[in-house]
Amino acid sequence: KNQVEQSPQSLIILEGKNCTLQCNYTVSPFSNLRWYKQDTGRGPVSLTIMTFSENTKSNGRYTATLDADTKQSSLHITASQLSDSASYICVHGDSSYKLIFGSGTRLLVRP
Amino acid sequence: DARVTQTPRDKVTEMGQEVTMRCQPILGHNTVFWYRQTMMQGLELLAYFRNRAPLDDSGMPKDRFSAEMPDATLATLKIQPSEPRDSAVYFCASALGRGLQETQYFGPGTRLLVL
Repeated sequence: KNQVEQSPQSLIILEGKNCTLQCNYTVSPFSNLRWYKQDTGRGPVSLTIMTFSENTKSNGRYTATLDADTKQSSLHITASQLSDSASYICVHGDSSYKLIFGSGTRLLVRP
Repeated sequence: DARVTQTPRDKVTEMGQEVTMRCQPILGHNTVFWYRQTMMQGLELLAYFRNRAPLDDSGMPKDRFSAEMPDATLATLKIQPSEPRDSAVYFCASALGRGLQETQYFGPGTRLLVL
């Protein structure tokens, strides 16, 4: 069973619309929760990193939330653009350097 | 614009051959990671180094994979002998400081195909 699960697997939205991606994790211990954006054929790029004490963090049009009690996180994208088309990966960090990656949500933004 | 570089970008080889992938971390970063990404497994941590010392390589198949940092500007990942199941994209990432909650910067990856 995957320790970091994301939903939906894929999503298609129209340009300008908002969307929310979900992440549930079962891994312990917890140090941080990250969201990455990965364009096709490229390496992941960090969007946000949240620690246990943070429940929201923004990076431009991207806003991540964290509920450490329910072990859930979400990534909200506002006013989507064509360049937002990518895979979005939720990542759990434990107390060491180890990161456990979710399988990602593939987002397609259509004109 | 500092970035992680990886070579080669693409590699096609035959089963049984040795494969060497190279990574140049961002200058000044003291933590280097190797990841593998496949469609089935997603991104998996293979190994990481801090100040050139290997801290954890438990994610690597020990019998055929080896990772080293000959110096602070070069990390290598070798597969010998390679097998078709090693086909994947291999990413190197680097981080500054302890890396625990700091951003990891990924390279563009090496796409490996073992026939």
